[in-house]
Amino acid sequence: DAGITQSPRHKVTETGTPVTLRCHQTENHRYMYWYRQDPGHGLRLIHYSYGVKDTDKGEVSDGYSVSRSKTEDFLLTLESATSSQTSVYFCAIKDVAGGPGEQYFGPGTRLTVT
Amino acid sequence: AQSVTQLGSHVSVSEGALVLLRCNYSSSVPPYLFWYVQYPNQGLQLLLKYTSAATLVKGINGFEAEFKKSETSFHLTKPSAHMSDAAEYFCAVSGLSGGGADGLTFGKGTHLIIQP
Repeated sequence: DAGITQSPRHKVTETGTPVTLRCHQTENHRYMYWYRQDPGHGLRLIHYSYGVKDTDKGEVSDGYSVSRSKTEDFLLTLESATSSQTSVYFCAIKDVAGGPGEQYFGPGTRLTVT
Repeated sequence: AQSVTQLGSHVSVSEGALVLLRCNYSSSVPPYLFWYVQYPNQGLQLLLKYTSAATLVKGINGFEAEFKKSETSFHLTKPSAHMSDAAEYFCAVSGLSGGGADGLTFGKGTHLIIQP
C-alpha cells in the first residue's frame, strides 16, 4: 500500500464548470503523476511533478492544469470541463527506492462531464 | 520516444490453461518494463518489473515475463490460469533511463477472460 488517496472517487459535472481532483500521499514521495484512462487508449500521462511547485506537461495536457503547494498533495484542475474529459483519472507516485520507473497508483476518480 | 504494443485487446483461455499476453516495445535506450493488473473498478497493481537484473522476471500470483532484447518483447505468462486472473493487463515502459520524473508509457491493455 503506497498510501495514495484520491478525492472525490466519483463526480458528475456539467460542461463548462471547473473541477479539481485531489491526490494525497502519506509517504513523502518526490514524484507524482496524473494519468487518464480511456477504453482503447490505456493510460496516458497528463501532468507530473518532481517537487513542490515543480510540474511539467505530459502527453495529453491540453485543458488541464496542476498545482503542488506541498509534498503530499497534487491537484489536477479542469478549468472548464468538456465531455471529452469524461474519463477515469489516476494519480501515481514513483517509489525511487523500489527501482527505476516503478510507480504505484491510487484508486482512481471517475469523472463524468454531461 | 518509446512506445508499447499489446497484441490482442481480448484474450480468452480456459481455466487451467497457459496464459500468454504479448507486449512489444520500442525504445531508443535500454528500457525498464512493467506489467500491471487492473481488477474491475480498481486501480493498477504492479505485477512484475524488468530492470536489467535478470531477463526472466517472476511476479506475484504465479506470473512471469521474459525480456527478449532481440525481439523487443516482454511477454507475460502463467502456466495455469485461475478464474481470479480475469482482469485487464497493461504493459508499460519507463521513459529514458527510468530515473528522474519521466512517466510511464502504457500499452492499450489486454482484457483476460477465463472460461470455466
